[in-house]
Amino acid sequence: NAGVTQTPKFQVLKTGQSMTLQCAQDMNHEYMSWYRQDPGMGLRLIHYSVGAGITDQGEVPNGYNVSRSTTEDFPLRLLSAAPSQTSVYFCASARGRSYEQYFGPGTRLTVT
Amino acid sequence: AQSVTQLDSHVSVSEGTPVLLRCNYSSSYSPSLFWYVQHPNKGLQLLLKYTSAATLVKGINGFEAEFKKSETSFHLTKPSAHMSDAAEYFCVVSGKAAGNKLTFGGGTRVLVKP
Repeated sequence: NAGVTQTPKFQVLKTGQSMTLQCAQDMNHEYMSWYRQDPGMGLRLIHYSVGAGITDQGEVPNGYNVSRSTTEDFPLRLLSAAPSQTSVYFCASARGRSYEQYFGPGTRLTVT
Repeated sequence: AQSVTQLDSHVSVSEGTPVLLRCNYSSSYSPSLFWYVQHPNKGLQLLLKYTSAATLVKGINGFEAEFKKSETSFHLTKPSAHMSDAAEYFCVVSGKAAGNKLTFGGGTRVLVKP
């Protein structure tokens, strides 16, 4: 099992550009989520999904879109990047909402 | 609303001495509580979890934590620090009132001196 994989590992964007962060898991987990990590703030939930076709907003959803067309994949889209979105992004998956979450290695994004 | 406060942003210990990382939580219902560790430039790894069974929870790498409902605390300890314990540690709460979403503390960075 590869677990949770994320691509790319690093990305630099200019303000206003768009991009998609990829996340995939091979554990057949129903629950997937995206977090951003900023210094001193722990991880904050951006969006989550409880199964294919179902997504919902987390704590800091503005500026991000998600979709879940398959159980395995949960991409995160930045529609128009802003410097405030400079952060490290983590994807996680779990059997269900109340189960242990498994984290990917992260994507470090810089917006200039 | 649920919340987590990690009382120390940085902890410095000498190798071979005990480690104590303090965590207080707030949750409307009986919560699930977790400790995660993040080594530099890595993802998060689960150390241990409390889900309303035994109040003293043993985790990986010699860590343990005690759930104290009266003090709303879930402190993480290890009797003897190793150099490999240098990392950032996150206390996390999850409760039904918040739809079982995870709420993270701000993190405690541990430095281990030789």
